[in-house]
Amino acid sequence: KQEVTQIPAALSVPEGENLVLNCSFTDSAIYNLQWFRQDPGKGLTSLLLIQSSQREQTSGRLNASLDKSSGRSTLYIAASQPGDSATYLCAVKRIQGAQKLVFGQGTRLTINP
Amino acid sequence: DVKVTQSSRYLVKRTGEKVFLECVQDMDHENMFWYRQDPGLGLRLIYFSYDVKMKEKGDIPEGYSVSREKKERFSLILESASTNQTSMYLCASSFHQMNTEAFFGQGTRLTVV
Repeated sequence: KQEVTQIPAALSVPEGENLVLNCSFTDSAIYNLQWFRQDPGKGLTSLLLIQSSQREQTSGRLNASLDKSSGRSTLYIAASQPGDSATYLCAVKRIQGAQKLVFGQGTRLTINP
Repeated sequence: DVKVTQSSRYLVKRTGEKVFLECVQDMDHENMFWYRQDPGLGLRLIYFSYDVKMKEKGDIPEGYSVSREKKERFSLILESASTNQTSMYLCASSFHQMNTEAFFGQGTRLTVV
């Protein structure tokens, strides 16, 4: 059974800092890993998709890495801004599992002005 | 710009009512999914569909059914709403290929009283 863990559950940092969010998964047999952002009471916004054959993906101030063999992914946010405050979720698509995404519980990020 | 649209942001229904949650996507995706999200439990898959009139149970299908008569529309049906179905419901879609990105709607907050 695939389990996805995100640590820490909550993180509060001052504006301008660079930060790293962590995601770990127990089964390395995945097609890809996706990072999402969720604002309170809203749906999920896709941030980055990393295929199992890739090591990293970048979009603007965001950089996501994937180490499939160790079951880890990180989301790096550079020069954080108050608008980055949200919950960040990672999800893996298993090779066995009919295209189902398995989600972590998320990291609630607060950027203080 | 990709779009997954859920028909309601907020719904309040009475116990025992039949409830329909509608989801429409404009990306010609084959796959569509219904998840529910609860504090402490994360996102859990209720049902998914990989083609018109095709459906498969997810992790928590009890008390729910689905309908997919057209490719762009996927409906979640609560046959007889109960208070334990109070939750945030999220619809998602993706292409059938395993390495593709999933896109989510804005969510429907359902309260059953």
